[in-house]
Amino acid sequence: DAKTTQPPSMDCAEGRAANLPCNHSTISGNEYVYWYRQIHSQGPQYIIHGLKNNETNEMASLIITEDRKSSTLILPHATLRDTAVYYCIVRANFGNEKLTFGTGTRLTIIP
Amino acid sequence: DAGVIQSPRHEVTEMGQEVTLRCKPISGHDYLFWYRQTMMRGLELLIYFNNNVPIDDSGMPEDRFSAKMPNASFSTLKIQPSEPRDSAVYFCASSPSTGSGPEAFFGQGTRLTVV
Repeated sequence: DAKTTQPPSMDCAEGRAANLPCNHSTISGNEYVYWYRQIHSQGPQYIIHGLKNNETNEMASLIITEDRKSSTLILPHATLRDTAVYYCIVRANFGNEKLTFGTGTRLTIIP
Repeated sequence: DAGVIQSPRHEVTEMGQEVTLRCKPISGHDYLFWYRQTMMRGLELLIYFNNNVPIDDSGMPEDRFSAKMPNASFSTLKIQPSEPRDSAVYFCASSPSTGSGPEAFFGQGTRLTVV
């Protein structure tokens, strides 16, 4: 059963902000929202995670709605190297720390 | 730390042969995950361990697949006998266990081709 819903693909112009949405309407109180990306032929790479507050690191920002039913990953200044499949995942921090990937969003950065 | 180390990086084998994939997790990590990735099915979680104990193996496709973690620094995924439909990229990942939602780190994968 899919716990997250993401658009299958998106395009973004180089240098612009890429906003990737994710719906997780059945998220539980002990589940975090994680974002990973997978560049072609490589293993998935951790980007960011959050529980209920917005988070920012050197790679991206994560905006989680107040009801926690959806979130948006923001890449502030997309480069060609950001072309990848982006996965939004919900994962418990105790009890059931399974990390299950859906189909993700294929983001293409256009020169 | 060198990260999660998988070996071999590439494996080509004949149908019916036994295949063993190896993984060395990051030192101190309590969780270890095995995934399989194909074009058709995407990234599938096969099994995961916590403190060397298998917690959930519901993703293991059939009895031909088995996984072990004899100690905290080593895990194997074995396929016996192998079949062409087992051809895929197999990833191993590890993560620590804390209350703050730790991230998982992935290896570079083993590309398995069964002919």
